[in-house]
Amino acid sequence: EVQLVESGGGLVQPGGSLRLSCAASGFTLYRYSMNWVRQPPGKGLEWVSHIVASTTTAYYADSVKGRFTISRDNAKNSLYLQMNSLRAEDTAVYYCARAFNFDSWGQGTLVTVSS
Amino acid sequence: QSALTQPASVSGSPGQSITISCTGTSSDVGGYDYVSWYQQRPGKAPKLMIYDVTKRPSGVSNRFSGSKSGNTASLTISGLQADDEADYYCSSYTARSTWVFGGGTKLTV
Repeated sequence: EVQLVESGGGLVQPGGSLRLSCAASGFTLYRYSMNWVRQPPGKGLEWVSHIVASTTTAYYADSVKGRFTISRDNAKNSLYLQMNSLRAEDTAVYYCARAFNFDSWGQGTLVTVSS
Repeated sequence: QSALTQPASVSGSPGQSITISCTGTSSDVGGYDYVSWYQQRPGKAPKLMIYDVTKRPSGVSNRFSGSKSGNTASLTISGLQADDEADYYCSSYTARSTWVFGGGTKLTV
């Protein structure tokens, strides 16, 4: 069974950093492209970043480009999102989602940026 | 990248059919057959319902179907059931090698 479990969320001050993790099971993560998607409280979904299968090629939404970095650890079968220079508008539930079609999602982890 | 345009809400009675539209541009919906639809219940993660415009993942009811004409994609749910009540989002791959979601549609049954 495919399972994705996010962790690493929490409360952080504006300008701070946080690293989110997404532990995958039931499949080999590096063979799939992977995504991060976020959802501000009470609002819609926003695509954040994508890493291409078996490569380090990555793409980012304009709203996070230059501040966020997506990566994976093949040995740990895990996906990461390093978030720097955080802003209040980055407050959201962050989901990892598998593949080009976002066919499986984790349960999400809440990031709150506030002083 | 502007969000795809969806109606804020739609409603229908049990047994009826409804259609949710998702309008983009020639750089996203109109340019690629990579439109997907997701169902999200309150407090839960989204669930893939339709991908590649018309394809249904294993386990998704055949009451859900997708289509596309020009820059507008559509999700149709036939034989509405109370359990279908949820938020629905469309997404599309774009010419910038990014993805864009719609603003979401609240379905009331």
